[in-house]
Amino acid sequence: QKEVEQNSGPLSVPEGAIASLNCTYSDRGSQSFFWYRQYSGKSPELIMFIYSNGDKEDGRFTAQLNKASQYVSLLIRDSQPSDSATYLCAVKTGFQKLVFGTGTRLLVSP
Amino acid sequence: ETGVTQSPTHLIKTRGQQVTLRCSSQSGHNTVSWYQQALGQGPQFIFQYYREEENGRGNFPPRFSGLQFPNYSSELNVNALELDDSALYLCASSIGWSSREQYFGPGTRLTVT
Repeated sequence: QKEVEQNSGPLSVPEGAIASLNCTYSDRGSQSFFWYRQYSGKSPELIMFIYSNGDKEDGRFTAQLNKASQYVSLLIRDSQPSDSATYLCAVKTGFQKLVFGTGTRLLVSP
Repeated sequence: ETGVTQSPTHLIKTRGQQVTLRCSSQSGHNTVSWYQQALGQGPQFIFQYYREEENGRGNFPPRFSGLQFPNYSSELNVNALELDDSALYLCASSIGWSSREQYFGPGTRLTVT
């Protein structure tokens, strides 16, 4: 079982729709959860992080965490073509390293 | 822009050679972590440096080594390059080794032929 699992996609949504990206993790001791966006050929860019169960909103983005189900999600409201990218879920268990999933490719069509 | 810089941007090496990649952390950040991202994969943790000491290491062989300097910039050295070392090498800086947020530099694309 992979430590962090994501559906590779692509997830296709029309412009203006809500995109829902999901991630599961295996280590119950995981403490911090991150979503990075990565455009093709570029480095990952931190979008959001969440530490506590529940929802955390930042502009068009909402991160949701359910530690009992070991599940993290990212909702993108009013999706734009510029949101088309690979979204990486990352989990921090100890103090040093981030463990990444393989990413979900999101395509937003005009 | 995160304020983290890396050099060079691209590099082509031959199998068996050695390579040094460089990273300058964001101002005020004293911790640098290095990651390897193969094509189509998520980044994988190589190691972390905090105040010039290695502070944690991932599942990479000893031919991957590093340094951190007093100004908190860092180097990643890879000896005896193999074809599978071809990847995007990312450094991320943070404030403190227990910091939650890490910010990535633009990466160095290494191709081994």
